[in-house]
Amino acid sequence: EVQLVESGGGLVQPGRSLRLSCIASGFTFDDYGMHWVRQTPGKGLEWVSGITWNSGYIVYADSVKGRFTISRDNAKNSLYLQMNSLRVEDTAFYYCAKDIGRKFYYMDVWGKGTTVTVSS
Amino acid sequence: QSVLTQPPSVSGAPGQRVTISCTGSTSNLGAGYDVHWYQQLPGTAPKLLIYGDNNRPSGVPDRFSGSKSGTSASLAITGLQAEDEANYYCQSYDGSLGGSGVFGGGTKLTVL
Repeated sequence: EVQLVESGGGLVQPGRSLRLSCIASGFTFDDYGMHWVRQTPGKGLEWVSGITWNSGYIVYADSVKGRFTISRDNAKNSLYLQMNSLRVEDTAFYYCAKDIGRKFYYMDVWGKGTTVTVSS
Repeated sequence: QSVLTQPPSVSGAPGQRVTISCTGSTSNLGAGYDVHWYQQLPGTAPKLLIYGDNNRPSGVPDRFSGSKSGTSASLAITGLQAEDEANYYCQSYDGSLGGSGVFGGGTKLTVL
């Protein structure tokens, strides 16, 4: 079964850091691009960042550029999101999602998500 | 404010047909980027509904269809059923934003 499981969320103070992880199973991880997408409570989806299969191309939303870093370890079937200088407005439910291809096209598998709360 | 614009809500009676619009610009839908649609039921992760403007993944009923023309796209749902009540999001990419992904603000479908 194709599966994505996020972890690492929690409560953190503004200005601090947090690292999210996403472990993939059931497919050949290093054949696919990956994304992070977030959703604020009661609001819509916001694409956060994407990384191609070999980490050769990485893109960030303007809202997180310079603060967040996406990475992957294909040997560990894992995707990461290092979040620094967190702001209250980063509070959201964070989903890891698999792309259909090696680069960026559409997301065909989603994890169940992990909650990040930024508050003092 | 989302790069792709969707109506906040639409509604329809069981059996009816509804459409959800997704309006972009010349840097995303109008630049040739495909549009994809996701359905999100309450308390669950989004699920792919339509990809590449008008293609259905296996398992998605043919009551769901998509189209795109210029800078706009639409999702149509025919034979509306109670289980279709959900939030629907369009998604694409934007060349003016460095190729970053973009979502519509989402549309809440209510089945009356």
